[in-house]
This record gives sequence, structure tokens and C-alpha cells, in this order.
Amino acid sequence: EAGVAQSPRYKIIEKRQSVAFWCNPISGHATLYWYQQILGQGPKLLIQFQNNGVVDDSQLPKDRFSAERLKGVDSTLKIQPAKLEDSAVYLCASSLGWEGSPLHFGNGTRLTVT
Amino acid sequence: QKEVEQDPGPLSVPEGAIVSLNCTYSNSAFQYFMWYRQYSRKGPELLMYTYSSGNKEDGRFTAQVDKSSKYISLFIRDSQPSDSATYLCAMIRRGFQKLVFGTGTRLLVSP
Repeated sequence: EAGVAQSPRYKIIEKRQSVAFWCNPISGHATLYWYQQILGQGPKLLIQFQNNGVVDDSQLPKDRFSAERLKGVDSTLKIQPAKLEDSAVYLCASSLGWEGSPLHFGNGTRLTVT
Repeated sequence: QKEVEQDPGPLSVPEGAIVSLNCTYSNSAFQYFMWYRQYSRKGPELLMYTYSSGNKEDGRFTAQVDKSSKYISLFIRDSQPSDSATYLCAMIRRGFQKLVFGTGTRLLVSP
């Protein structure tokens, strides 16, 4: 079974620039998540999709972050404009979507904002 | 107060030692409990999955959940240098799919 694919692996941008991350979940997984992991901390949920609908985006800074999941498969996460405090690893995960189903993570995109 | 508390470490042990990693939580609605292992520059990898209270064993790893105390543990027997990683506890509330993580404990196993 192929895992969760993410690209790019690394990105360096200046503050106020924009950036986009891409995720392809495990085939057949209905639920897709974007997490933000700041160095030395556990991952924090940004947004959760069930198929192509948003289930939870309560912790997404909507003035600068946006996400979409086209056709209920791939997803993109965008930041515009970026701030220094957005420097983190952005992890995509997917699950089968039933209550309590475990999440499977990609290797993330490491973003550095200078 | 954070929903899930975990000592960040680092925890340093010699090869062959028994390792005990722990988390406490505050919300009694958590029903599904997981341990993830995260190597440097990699994503979290699911290690153990437990539903409700009890023990689960898989090779050198044992996960314990005590819901009455709101306390979960991961034990690693005969620890190896390849076990050096950050271990994240995570849990899901009844009726939800959102995974809530602890801070992660960094484990260093020296040869």
C-alpha cells in the first residue's frame, strides 16, 4: 500500500510571500487532515476534510491559510502572506474515516520563512 | 491546561534497558489511544493502537491504558539504538476523528 505523498519536502520563502503544499492521501481514505508541527511540539490540527467537505477548520488562521480538496482526493494547503511564525513542518494525514480510525502521515513539508 | 500532557525529555537510556513513556490527559471522552514514533525529518509512524482501557503487546512494545486515572503508557523492552526517536502519544474522543497529540518525548538509546 502506497503511503501519503507530500510535496515539496522543503521550502524556503521570505515573509509576505505565498506558498502552496500538495498532498495525495492513501487510496480509499475518505478523511484527509493537515497538521502543523512546530519544532519541539506535537502536531496541531489545521483542517480536516471528509471526502471534499470541511469537517473542522477551527484552528486554521483563515486570514492567511486556505485549503481545498478537489474531487475528494488530492489536497492543497496555501499560505498567503507568510509570517515568520509559520515556519514549521506541515504534515498531511489520511484515514478510513470511521470513528477512532488511526491516521497515517506523510513525511511533511518543512517550511522556513525568513 | 493542555488536553494531553507529555514530558518532552530527552530520556537517555543504555541499550537493552526497559523504557517507560507516559502521558496524562484531562478529557474523559478520549476513547481511542495511539502511540506514534517519529524519526528526525520523517512523519509520525503509527506504533500502537488501543481502544478503551487495557493492555496491548506487539513484539518489544506494550501499550497500557488506565482510563480511571487518565494515564497511558508505552513500554519498550530490550531497547535498541534504532529506537532513538520522538514518541508521540495521541488520542481521539468518542464520536470524533480528530487526533490530539502530546508534545512528544525524545528517546535516546546509547550503544
